[in-house]
Amino acid sequence: SAVISQKPSRDICQRGTSLTIQCQVDSQVTMMFWYRQQPGQSLTLIATANQGSEATYESGFVIDKFPISRPNLTFSTLTVSNMSPEDSSIYLCSETHRGQGTEAFFGQGTRLTVV
Amino acid sequence: QKEVEQDPGPLSVPEGAIVSLNCTYSNSAFQYFMWYRQYSRKGPELLMYTYSSGNKEDGRFTAQVDKSSKYISLFIRDSQPSDSATYLCATGGTSYGKLTFGQGTILTVHP
Repeated sequence: SAVISQKPSRDICQRGTSLTIQCQVDSQVTMMFWYRQQPGQSLTLIATANQGSEATYESGFVIDKFPISRPNLTFSTLTVSNMSPEDSSIYLCSETHRGQGTEAFFGQGTRLTVV
Repeated sequence: QKEVEQDPGPLSVPEGAIVSLNCTYSNSAFQYFMWYRQYSRKGPELLMYTYSSGNKEDGRFTAQVDKSSKYISLFIRDSQPSDSATYLCATGGTSYGKLTFGQGTILTVHP
């Protein structure tokens, strides 16, 4: 598996502001995804980060709230926009390699608290 | 109904016990199945991956899949305090790389 680095690892933000989370992998993976893990809950897929094109969002998630970029095969960002306390969650970056099995690997996550 | 159901526990066992963790799923399109371990304040760590019915063993861990009943299990033998974590089952196959997770089971192994 690739090594996945996320930053920041945690942050406390004021409501109404935005935070951009970065995800860097150490090899050219094919697929990158962003998940959200709300307190005491499991992981929910936000979107698939597509290289050089708009991300593919899951039901309930929209680009205006969670804009995603993926300028190359090793880097992606997720922005949480106009934050409210309900956005307090752990945000996780995930990667998988097409053609090398379908195992998905995760970064350490970004723990976001909105006050 | 959630696509993947998992008993959240918590589950507390003595050291050395055999632990059984279970999930059910509803979507027949799911083709592969994973178990992740998540320690507090860490990202999920892939433990087991399988795509067929039957058993897959790796050290103290055995993953079991029964596609006919849409039931997946993880067994931990000789459990250790270091196994204390949240265990998440996950399924995939409807779209490449995308996973659907169970709620997670909190496991505590006490000495």
